[in-house]
This record gives sequence, C-alpha cells and structure tokens, in this order.
Amino acid sequence: SQQGEEDPQALSIQEGENATMNCSYKTSINNLQWYRQNSGRGLVHLILIRSNEREKHSGRLRVTLDTSKKSSSLLITASRAADTASYFCAETSGSRLTFGEGTQLTVNP
Amino acid sequence: GAGVSQTPSNKVTEKGKYVELRCDPISGHTALYWYRQSLGQGPEFLIYFQGTGAADDSGLPNDRFFAVRPEGSVSTLKIQRTERGDSAVYLCASSLSGRRSSYNEQFFGPGTRLTVL
Repeated sequence: SQQGEEDPQALSIQEGENATMNCSYKTSINNLQWYRQNSGRGLVHLILIRSNEREKHSGRLRVTLDTSKKSSSLLITASRAADTASYFCAETSGSRLTFGEGTQLTVNP
Repeated sequence: GAGVSQTPSNKVTEKGKYVELRCDPISGHTALYWYRQSLGQGPEFLIYFQGTGAADDSGLPNDRFFAVRPEGSVSTLKIQRTERGDSAVYLCASSLSGRRSSYNEQFFGPGTRLTVL
C-alpha cells in the first residue's frame, strides 16, 4: 500500500520558475528520499534527508523535513524543460522503500 | 560501470499464463529488491533479498508470486496464472547492503512492463 501522499498531483510551470512539491508520510522515519522518474521507468535517486536534519541542498534541489508534521518538500529552483518528470518521495522503513503517489512536473520551454 | 538491467523490457502474455522476469543487479551488491508500479502510482515493495535469501517477502500480493536469487546475484520474479490486474511495470533495484545499520542507496533498473491480456 502507498504510504504517503504528495501534492500537487500535477504541476505545470514555465522554464526558469521554481517548482515546489510536498509529501506527507504516516509513520516514524529513519530518513526520507526523493526520486525522479522519466516516462514511467528508471527511478533515479535525487537526495536523502535524515530524520535529524531539517534542510538539505544539492545543486538546484532543496529538501526540507518537518518531522512534527510528518511532511517534506522538494524545491527545484530555476527549472528547465529537462526537469519534466515524475517526482516521488520515499520513506525508508527497515530496508524497503515506501513511495508516495508522486507529482508529475511539466516544465514548459 | 553497468547498472541494474532487467529483461525483457516488455512482456505481453495471456491471462492464466506463467511469466518470469529477470533482474541483473550491479556487481557486488548484496541486496536486491523487487517493486511493482501501476499506472499513475508510486512503486510498491514486493520482496527484498539479502544475498540468496528472501529477507522480507511481505509485499508479495499472493502465492501466485514467487522470487528466487539462487546464487546471490541474478534474481527471477515468477508469476503463475497471471491475471489482468498483474499488469504493471516491475522494477528491480540493488544496493551494496540492505542492512538497517546504515543506509545504502538503491539503484533501479529500467523495469519490465508486463501486460496481461
């Protein structure tokens, strides 16, 4: 079963704008990760944030974590058309990943 | 180096048939995972191997699904008496270790798209 919920389900922006996606989860976590997926295949790991961290940066990506609200957000700054993809958060529980339903991001050139 | 590979990339079968899906993990990765992704959904965990043994098979939906990893490398996901509801993309991932003591990134293969007619 799906663990988290992500919003929005779909997001369409213009190139150069920032994109923010949110994720909520239901249980205690060791860490939370964000993945990207193009065309329904090939998940690519983007960034991991540990439960004792509140914010993390990687290039144009910024992830925040609020364990009191059981939520996380992924910000992509200065978006590019090549950022068009589905983005998923995933909770690490034990050794498995439990994914949310994802946000479909479309960046229009 | 080579990533995780999966074969076939697409499989079309008829209801009631048996199928096998293959995963070749990254060399040296002891942990291997199978996930299933239905259209418009996130991947759902099926089973996790640490070495040759299934450490967690709680995600397998029913006894028609079975997976093996006899030599601790390649894994095969087997589905008996396929049903239309089994249609999905089946994703395989591997990591250096699946142990809880430290996090190891999971690297995903491109998936096998299974269509049951």
